[in-house]
Amino acid sequence: QKEVEQNSGPLSVPEGAIASLNCTYSDRVSQSFFWYRQYSGKSPELIMSIYSNGDKEDGRFTAQLNKASQYVSLLIRDSQPSDSATYLCAALTGGGNKLTFGTGTQLKVEL
Amino acid sequence: KAGVTQTPRYLIKTRGQQVTLSCSPISGHRSVSWYQQTPGQGLQFLFEYFSETQRNKGNFPGRFSGRQFSNSRSEMNVSTLELGDSALYLCASSSLGTGVNEQYFGPGTRLTVT
Repeated sequence: QKEVEQNSGPLSVPEGAIASLNCTYSDRVSQSFFWYRQYSGKSPELIMSIYSNGDKEDGRFTAQLNKASQYVSLLIRDSQPSDSATYLCAALTGGGNKLTFGTGTQLKVEL
Repeated sequence: KAGVTQTPRYLIKTRGQQVTLSCSPISGHRSVSWYQQTPGQGLQFLFEYFSETQRNKGNFPGRFSGRQFSNSRSEMNVSTLELGDSALYLCASSSLGTGVNEQYFGPGTRLTVT
């Protein structure tokens, strides 16, 4: 099993809907997780971090961490076309600041 | 506060040459990490520097090296370039030395090896 896994998508949602992005992880990662957004041709932009079980909300974004089931999710409420991007899930791995990334999920928000 | 800066933004090199990429972290950040992003392999960790010391290293050959200066600026070097080294090289900085902390990426250097 890979350390961090994501469905590559694309995930298509209509404008205004809730987009749900999921990520599973193995026992080899630490319990610190990050969601990044990457537009085509640009560098990753940090959206949220989550370290504790449960939900963490920031504006239209909610990150959820379930340690028992080993998954992290990102919910985007009221999805906008500008949310169309690749969303990368990452976990701290092996000490220090090493981040292990999933392959990313491409999100398309359609008008 | 200014973000992470990387220079140059684009680079074209020939096989066998070497290249040096530069990264200036966010002011006050002491940890700098480097990542390689390719369509086939995704984002992969190269190495991390903290207080001028390499703290962690990914699974890359010895042709890839780096260093950090006393002002936290970092450079990475790739010697004897191969075609497969063509990638987006990303630098990320964070404020804390250990534990949970957030990394912020620079715009990247796109390296093309011909």
